[in-house]
Amino acid sequence: EAQVTQNPRYLITVTGKKLTVTCSQNMNHEYMSWYRQDPGLGLRQIYYSMNVEVTDKGDVPEGYKVSRKEKRNFPLILESPSPNQTSLYFCASSFQVSTEAFFGQGTRLTVV
Amino acid sequence: AQSVTQPDIHITVSEGASLELRCNYSYGATPYLFWYVQSPGQGLQLLLKYFSGDTLVQGIKGFEAEFKRSQSSFNLRKPSVHWSDAAEYFCAVGADSGTYKYIFGTGTRLKVLA
Repeated sequence: EAQVTQNPRYLITVTGKKLTVTCSQNMNHEYMSWYRQDPGLGLRQIYYSMNVEVTDKGDVPEGYKVSRKEKRNFPLILESPSPNQTSLYFCASSFQVSTEAFFGQGTRLTVV
Repeated sequence: AQSVTQPDIHITVSEGASLELRCNYSYGATPYLFWYVQSPGQGLQLLLKYFSGDTLVQGIKGFEAEFKRSQSSFNLRKPSVHWSDAAEYFCAVGADSGTYKYIFGTGTRLKVLA
């Protein structure tokens, strides 16, 4: 089954404790991206990747890191989480930026 | 810079009534335009997309959208709404030159009255 898998689905952490949210896709997609969803703000792109070892900033990259060492995986790293990073996060993949994006189920992160 | 505006935060319609959700975009070239739907607690699902050609596009679940270049709009329509259409709807634009970003609007939450 074609899918984008994010883990964990729910995470509560403390300020400053490094964390990683994993994202994996099995569709051989080249384009992958991370979004955060906040009430009234819609989805805002954090980082995107055009292909392996090619990443770039989206609209809200501050406080986040990503890597794309393999085509299927695109982890999101919060080196020192802060409460303003409490949000619902989505990973998505597509063949290109101009094609349909497939979304993971989301990760609800709470930073206290 | 590209942007997407969805001017209606909430819309309420009665079941069986027609629906139009508005979307305006800003982009220097012909954009790749999408409508997604998000049911409560779920990820996003593609309803339809526009790349080129016929400006009226058909999607899943009986939805359609019309691309109007002169108005920079890509409004979503459905002739008869079903209670199961209650969800949040997002318009998005993808850019394939320069930035390669994917930008979403702020969403429109649809409520359907029985």
